[in-house]
Amino acid sequence: NAGVTQTPKFQVLKTGQSMTLQCAQDMNHEYMSWYRQDPGMGLRLIHYSVGAGITDQGEVPNGYNVSRSTTEDFPLRLLSAAPSQTSVYFCASRPRQFRSGNTIYFGEGSWLTVV
Amino acid sequence: RKEVEQDPGPFNVPEGATVAFNCTYSNSASQSFFWYRQDCRKEPKLLMSVYSSGNEDGRFTAQLNRASQYISLLIRDSKLSDSATYLCVVNDLDSNYQLIWGAGTKLIIKP
Repeated sequence: NAGVTQTPKFQVLKTGQSMTLQCAQDMNHEYMSWYRQDPGMGLRLIHYSVGAGITDQGEVPNGYNVSRSTTEDFPLRLLSAAPSQTSVYFCASRPRQFRSGNTIYFGEGSWLTVV
Repeated sequence: RKEVEQDPGPFNVPEGATVAFNCTYSNSASQSFFWYRQDCRKEPKLLMSVYSSGNEDGRFTAQLNRASQYISLLIRDSKLSDSATYLCVVNDLDSNYQLIWGAGTKLIIKP
């Protein structure tokens, strides 16, 4: 009963380094997404995918890349880390059609600090 | 940008009191509405969906006012365990069913 598994939970990066946040879900959900959450702000959508091989940009995509080679996995890559990318990152999945009564499933979050 | 606005709080409320939050949304075409709860350093979790006719789940009541474009959450007989941040979420039809998140209202229940 894993749901959404997100790793790592904590990471410290130096400016300019690259890294990948991993996300996997076992619910066969078509829709997966990455959010970032900063203090005093709502969740902001970075990238999303509506199925394997399909990705699209969200509200704040700059500095991040994603791919969706399988239904289960949706990794987020930071290309060249900047202090402005210090944040909490959440991976999420849900059925493609989202209506009242549904919910979105989140990973436990990744706390990223860029120094 | 479509927006969802919430009073950030914090709301400091004594245990047993009733507390209400409002959330306003800007897109009149929004279709689905939700309240999520987020504990400190945890992921958000669904508290309840908000239906047009209003709905209740135990001590929690959610209401939708489409004319004024706001949703509300009422918590009765508040418990210490209700301390959390409450996030208002709107399903935005115009943006390919993306979820638009409010920044959250922080609730602190005091003994």
